[in-house]
Amino acid sequence: ETGVTQSPTHLIKTRGQQVTLRCSSQSGHNTVSWYQQALGQGPQFIFQYYREEENGRGNFPPRFSGLQFPNYSSELNVNALELDDSALYLCASSLEVERGYTFGSGTRLTVV
Amino acid sequence: GEDVEQSLFLSVREGDSSVINCTYTDSSSTYLYWYKQEPGAGLQLLTYIFSNMDMKQDQRLTVLLNKKDKHLSLRIADTQTGDSAIYFCAENPTGTASKLTFGTGTRLQVTL
Repeated sequence: ETGVTQSPTHLIKTRGQQVTLRCSSQSGHNTVSWYQQALGQGPQFIFQYYREEENGRGNFPPRFSGLQFPNYSSELNVNALELDDSALYLCASSLEVERGYTFGSGTRLTVV
Repeated sequence: GEDVEQSLFLSVREGDSSVINCTYTDSSSTYLYWYKQEPGAGLQLLTYIFSNMDMKQDQRLTVLLNKKDKHLSLRIADTQTGDSAIYFCAENPTGTASKLTFGTGTRLQVTL
């Protein structure tokens, strides 16, 4: 098992810019979810992809979008960055929900 | 609303048992999870429990589930300094694909 890898680990962007975060799922996992974790908070669900289709979305605006590729890697795109978007973004992959989700180490995004 | 509640902080002495508590909201959640987060890291799945179980033991970890009260606890036996971290409980609310709803986390401090 290779685990879930995310890139970059840290990123600084200016308000109004766009950002793309990347995730490589654990081998064989066909479900990927993205979470936003603000400082001192628990992770908040952004959305989930299953076999390249979005199949669940949390309470995030449309400027948060994603893609999942045939090799199950995925991207999180955020447009028109706001200061409140500063957070740790976590990617999680899963094969079976009962086995839980394997999380990556996250990308720390700072918007200035 | 979806509020998974946890106490914010717990301090125990090395060698003692730690008990971290959580109350969740969706009585029909199928799976409930405990995750551990060390500073600057992603989330590590510790254990999970299926909703038709009352208890699950895994080495030093014991999970107790009270469905009537929607209460979940994690007991760590013989707590070590390496157990110092933030612990999150999470539920998988029914009808939300594979979304996880996390609590705000309990910071466990282990003292010598």
